[in-house]
Amino acid sequence: QKEVEQNSGPLSVPEGAIASLNCTYSDRVSQSFFWYRQYSGKSPELIMSIYSNGDKEDGRFTAQLNKASQYVSLLIRDSQPSDSATYLCAVNRDTGGFKTIFGAGTRLFVKA
Amino acid sequence: DTAVSQTPKYLVTQMGNDKSIKCEQNLGHDTMYWYKQDSKKFLKIMFSYNNKELIINETVPNRFSPKSPDKAHLNLHINSLELGDSAVYFCASSQRTGNGEQYFGPGTRLTVT
Repeated sequence: QKEVEQNSGPLSVPEGAIASLNCTYSDRVSQSFFWYRQYSGKSPELIMSIYSNGDKEDGRFTAQLNKASQYVSLLIRDSQPSDSATYLCAVNRDTGGFKTIFGAGTRLFVKA
Repeated sequence: DTAVSQTPKYLVTQMGNDKSIKCEQNLGHDTMYWYKQDSKKFLKIMFSYNNKELIINETVPNRFSPKSPDKAHLNLHINSLELGDSAVYFCASSQRTGNGEQYFGPGTRLTVT
């Protein structure tokens, strides 16, 4: 089992719709959770971080965390073609030195 | 105003050569990282330094040797390059160890022929 799992996609949604991206992680002691966006040929860019159970909203983005289910999600409201990118879920844990584990990413395509 | 910079952006070289990639951050962060992103886009940590001290060294061949002359710089030297080393290498930094909010450099695309 991979430490951080994401559906590779592509996830295709029409412009204006809600895109829902999901991520599960295997290590219960994971402590903090992040979503990065990576455009093709570019570097990852942090868009959301979440540290406690529940929802966290930032503009059109909402991160959701459920530690009991070991599940993190990212909702993108009013999706725009400019949101088309790969979204990387990342999990931080202390392994005797904090380490960030990235999922393989979900490709999102927003159709105009 | 570049926060995390890397040089070179592209590196094409032959098997067996030795090459270096340089990274600098002007964010005042304490912790810096090297990641490798392979052709399947999987991003994997290689090394992490906190204030010039090595704190994470993943299972990376010892042909790879990081060096941190100060906390703003983290360089990566690779000896005896192999075909499998072809990938994009990203440098990143965070405010402190344990902070997963990382800022990435633009990446160095290494191609070994």
